Amino acid sequence: RKEVEQDPGPFNVPEGATVAFNCTYSNSASQSFFWYRQDCRKEPKLLMSVYSSGNEDGRFTAQLNRASQYISLLIRDSKLSDSATYLCVVNESGGYNKLIFGAGTRLAVHP
Amino acid sequence: EAQVTQNPRYLITVTGKKLTVTCSQNMNHEYMSWYRQDPGLGLRQIYYSMNVEVTDKGDVPEGYKVSRKEKRNFPLILESPSPNQTSLYFCASRETHGTEAFFGQGTRLTVV
Repeated sequence: RKEVEQDPGPFNVPEGATVAFNCTYSNSASQSFFWYRQDCRKEPKLLMSVYSSGNEDGRFTAQLNRASQYISLLIRDSKLSDSATYLCVVNESGGYNKLIFGAGTRLAVHP
Repeated sequence: EAQVTQNPRYLITVTGKKLTVTCSQNMNHEYMSWYRQDPGLGLRQIYYSMNVEVTDKGDVPEGYKVSRKEKRNFPLILESPSPNQTSLYFCASRETHGTEAFFGQGTRLTVV
């Protein structure tokens, strides 16, 4: 079983749609969680951290369910510019506190 | 401007010819890492460093070396590149555990 699993997609949605991505992680001791965005052939960039109580940043909402070891990202009112790959990232506890990356979910927003 | 700088951005080389990919960060971060990204596999950690002169293997270290003689620099060395090292490579730094990682722009390496 992969340490961080995501649906690879692609998710093809029209502008204005609401889309949700899910991610599961295997290490129950994981401490920090993030969503990164990666445009084609570019470096990943932090989209948002994920907090236990859930958090929102404009059109983006992130949720964490520690009991189910599950993270989600909701994008409302999708824009063409949201087209990218979204990486679920889990920070393990202890030692180096390694970042474990999911393989990513690809989103394509069309007119 | 806070940034992580990798060079070169693109490199085509032949099997067995030693190469170095440089990485430099200007944020005074303790932690630095190298990753490779291959289709369907996501980012896999090659080596990491928690401070100057402290380096350790990640998940896929075979065929690679690193050094951390100064806090800002973390070069990746391929002593004898092979075609299976053809990949997209990213250097990243972060202040400490639990914090955001900042990535370089990537190095696309092709070994023929």
